[in-house]
Amino acid sequence: KAGVTQTPRYLIKTRGQQVTLSCSPISGHRSVSWYQQTPGQGLQFLFEYFSETQRNKGNFPGRFSGRQFSNSRSEMNVSTLELGDSALYLCASSYRTGEDTIYFGEGSWLTVV
Amino acid sequence: GNSVTQMEGPVTLSEEAFLTINCTYTATGYPSLFWYVQYPGEGLQLLLKATKADDKGSNKGFEATYRKETTSFHLEKGSVQVSDSAVYFCALSDNSDYKLSFGAGTTVTVRA
Repeated sequence: KAGVTQTPRYLIKTRGQQVTLSCSPISGHRSVSWYQQTPGQGLQFLFEYFSETQRNKGNFPGRFSGRQFSNSRSEMNVSTLELGDSALYLCASSYRTGEDTIYFGEGSWLTVV
Repeated sequence: GNSVTQMEGPVTLSEEAFLTINCTYTATGYPSLFWYVQYPGEGLQLLLKATKADDKGSNKGFEATYRKETTSFHLEKGSVQVSDSAVYFCALSDNSDYKLSFGAGTTVTVRA
């Protein structure tokens, strides 16, 4: 079956702009989570959604937001982009989480100039 | 809070050498433990996992045993190949906060 699909794969934005990233989970998976990966900070948890409800949120400013739709697809939005937001944004999905295995997409590479 | 500490790299090995990457964790309760691998320019792939103490996860010649007494989950492979060159991440989930906590990652380079 298809894996976790993220779009777009690569994008370049200007400081002050906003960006929306999309994630389609593995079919049947209802939990979607997002992570930011940077060389300096490593992998950091952004937020997790299950059945359209945010169940946990990481320590990021309010400029970072997300949502999940009834078909489990998810989007994350970053407003007022800063240079430091340049990163690989990874989406992951699982059936319910807990002991369930979490599967990752290939990520969206965001460069802010 | 939960945390994962793993051996910092980079690690450079010759083909067919033995690989060990140390990973220790701090968590409340009984977390699930994972090793993920990231190849250049790609996302994370699950390599193996263990969900309870003394479980051994294995995949593609890699093994790791969940040691509760030492709070460790060290990754080992007996004979590495050039294709094993990647970044390896140890991670845990405490099964209640719906997230993974990752180590810093260890870059492994295998030379022919």
